[in-house]
Amino acid sequence: GQQLNQSPQSMFIQEGEDVSMNCTSSSIFNTWLWYKQDPGEGPVLLIALYKAGELTSNGRLTAQFGITRKDSFLNISASIPSDVGIYFCAGGDSNYQLIWGAGTKLIIKP
Amino acid sequence: DADVTQTPRNRITKTGKRIMLECSQTKGHDRMYWYRQDPGLGLRLIYYSFDVKDINKGEISDGYSVSRQAQAKFSLSLESAIPNQTALYFCATSDYTGTSGYTFGSGTRLTVV
Repeated sequence: GQQLNQSPQSMFIQEGEDVSMNCTSSSIFNTWLWYKQDPGEGPVLLIALYKAGELTSNGRLTAQFGITRKDSFLNISASIPSDVGIYFCAGGDSNYQLIWGAGTKLIIKP
Repeated sequence: DADVTQTPRNRITKTGKRIMLECSQTKGHDRMYWYRQDPGLGLRLIYYSFDVKDINKGEISDGYSVSRQAQAKFSLSLESAIPNQTALYFCATSDYTGTSGYTFGSGTRLTVV
């Protein structure tokens, strides 16, 4: 079946640093979505991308839909403590199904 | 009130018991989903339903069953719970395209002992 490779699996960063994570696939997707999951809660949509090459921002978050339609990245600028959590990418296929990455766990060093 | 409500939030059950997890939504969406989350494995689809009369198996449906009682309600059952079904379970809903974003419930943490 279709799979997404999300990396890195986890990140330890200092407050104030920029963060970058990405997802790649051997399959083409029609949409790319980025979610964040806080402890004890369900994932919440951060950014949705609908066109190849699209670059979209949401506050300190920026995400791009790769031109090949097989990848996407998410950047977080000037990280703050509330950024900790698990970030998931998801690709939407031609059957309107979402395929999920395994997640990137963001941890801020004390 | 939350858009997607899951009950119970936490449950401990014994091996071999039947258990039902319930989900209700106020989004008015036709599509509903049940996912399972294990550490390091992300979200895996158990079952999904595109409307009340449409039920489909996901990638890990063995050992689970579902019931779509109404547009707003989608329940997941474990007929005979086993320890490796210990996980965090999420219900989600989406509009007809499915790709403008899923809305998730807060999850049910199930422990099978």
